[in-house]
Formats: sequence, C-alpha cells, structure tokens
Amino acid sequence: LAKTTQPISMDSYEGQEVNITCSHNNIATNDYITWYQQFPSQGPRFIIQGYKTKVTNEVASLFIPADRKSSTLSLPRVSLSDTAVYYCLVGGTSGTYKYIFGTGTRLKVLA
Amino acid sequence: GAVVSQHPSWVICKSGTSVKIECRSLDFQATTMFWYRQFPKQSLMLMATSNEGSKATYEQGVEKDKFLINHASLTLSTLTVTSAHPEDSSFYICSARETGGPYEQFFGPGTRLTVL
Repeated sequence: LAKTTQPISMDSYEGQEVNITCSHNNIATNDYITWYQQFPSQGPRFIIQGYKTKVTNEVASLFIPADRKSSTLSLPRVSLSDTAVYYCLVGGTSGTYKYIFGTGTRLKVLA
Repeated sequence: GAVVSQHPSWVICKSGTSVKIECRSLDFQATTMFWYRQFPKQSLMLMATSNEGSKATYEQGVEKDKFLINHASLTLSTLTVTSAHPEDSSFYICSARETGGPYEQFFGPGTRLTVL
C-alpha cells in the first residue's frame, strides 16, 4: 500500500492559488492518485483523480510529474469555503483495493 | 456522481447497547464497501472491508466481534457496534466503489455515534 506524505497545514488568503503537494515515493505502476476534500462532520468528497501529467476539472488541477512520485493539487482562487482538510490517496484499480488515509493537509483560507 | 447514504446521521445510545449503522449505494451497485472511523481532528482510520455475500475483512486491531459487518446486498452494508461504550463514540464513515466502474471511492456523509 502506497504511503503518502503531505504538509500538515497551510494558510492562504482569498483569491490566491493554493498548491498542495503530496509525496508517494512507492507508488505502483497501476496506482491512480486521487484527492479528496473533507469538511468537519462530513464524509470526504472527491475532487480529482489522475494517473500522469495533468488533469483539470471545474474545481481543481492535478499535476503529476513523469516519475509519479509526487503530485500537486492546485486550487485556483480559493475562497473561505475552501477551508477544509485535503487528502491525497494512492490506490490500485481493483475493486477491493483499500485506501489508507494519511494526515491530510488542513487548509485555512483567510479573508 | 454516485451517491452513498448513511443512516442514521447521528445516534446517541446508552453504554452496553448495540447500534446499527446502514450504508447504501443509491444509484450504483457496490460489491465492496469500506468502513472508517474518525476521531476529532484526526484522519480516517480504515476499520474493515465489506464484501457482498462474504465475510468482512478487518484491519489489525479492530475487534470483529464488537464491530459486526453485514453486506447482504449489492447496495447495502451495515455496521453494528455491539455493547457500545463511551470510547466507541466517534464519527463512522462508509465508502463504496462501483462494481466495474470508476476507480474512485464514494463516501457517505458519516454517522456521529455518542455513547453515554
């Protein structure tokens, strides 16, 4: 099971771009990288998933270098409502593959 | 996107009683569901993997006789906390992955259990 390492916390101001980097040095060939957002007393919410290079959706971008040993979640122009914990997860493609959550990154967006 | 529901959203019970938490995949079938526990300000901890039609697989340190898991259909898994004690008070979250579908897990909204 691939282990992930993220910064424990980050602060940002409204309107800024936030980049959260995750290290996953022992990622396996078949592993995908997935990011989730969690608000207090709620279940994690899927943000974005990728395998290599760059993936973009309506809320975020995910940058994955060629060696895939790290990834960066980019949140453009954050708002106060983006204050949450962000988890980077690395997992296989089998239906029974289980995620092991790391510490996550606690992002606080300031006015 | 796929939706996972949990019931109840919160429950308060007396010490020594049992509590059942349901996890449903509303618009997809899930051969495998997962149960997590989360204490305040901490990350999610995987408790067990629930497999439809077979026994659950528990993570090391999780008492299978205390946390009974049943996955009787492709859309429903239940977690029963037996003889609950105050230390079992926590936020319980389930997730499901669509059978043969995308690779991401869809998480339920969680159930807050408080044992008095």
